[in-house]
Amino acid sequence: NAGVTQTPKFQVLKTGQSMTLQCAQDMNHNSMYWYRQDPGMGLRLIYYSASEGTTDKGEVPNGYNVSRLNKREFSLRLESAAPSQTSVYFCASSEAESTVFRPQHFGDGTRLSIL
Amino acid sequence: LAKTTQPISMDSYEGQEVNITCSHNNIATNDYITWYQQFPSQGPRFIIQGYKTKVTNEVASLFIPADRKSSTLSLPRVSLSDTAVYYCLVGVLLYSGGGADGLTFGKGTHLIIQP
Repeated sequence: NAGVTQTPKFQVLKTGQSMTLQCAQDMNHNSMYWYRQDPGMGLRLIYYSASEGTTDKGEVPNGYNVSRLNKREFSLRLESAAPSQTSVYFCASSEAESTVFRPQHFGDGTRLSIL
Repeated sequence: LAKTTQPISMDSYEGQEVNITCSHNNIATNDYITWYQQFPSQGPRFIIQGYKTKVTNEVASLFIPADRKSSTLSLPRVSLSDTAVYYCLVGVLLYSGGGADGLTFGKGTHLIIQP
């Protein structure tokens, strides 16, 4: 049981290049999330998808776009990468239930460096 | 959005019980309290969740006083492998268009276990 799978695990980009980070979950979860984590910091929410067909902005959405391709997959796109977007990106998923906070399951991250 | 405050770091020794306290003075009626553990180069991992009183599972206990303005994560008989960052989150699960409360990770508590 793979859980949440992120690809690639590592990537180096040049400023201005574009890239899509892929995330897939096999737990039949309704909700999916993208976070970034900078050195010594906690995770900050970029975008989330409460259910298939919906996406919403989180705390730091600027410079990013997302696509909820289907129930399993949620991708994050950098249209024109900037050095400030150098970070570790985590994807997560959870069951969706409006009255109970269901824990999130995280992937192992994509380490992205932008030169 | 309930804000949380945790100690930046803590030290302990193998075999000891470790208690990490999180303050959340403006917790709302519907908010749950969730703790995650993160090892270097990995995504956060769910430890325990609770609403009130005490919750126990195979790895930890969570103590929540009646006013719910704080919570304490208790790790019994820690080992070197418990060295990690621990995050306290407070909120309710998002629903489509309803916001992303409870998805804010602070800097966490860096727990260091020594032999």
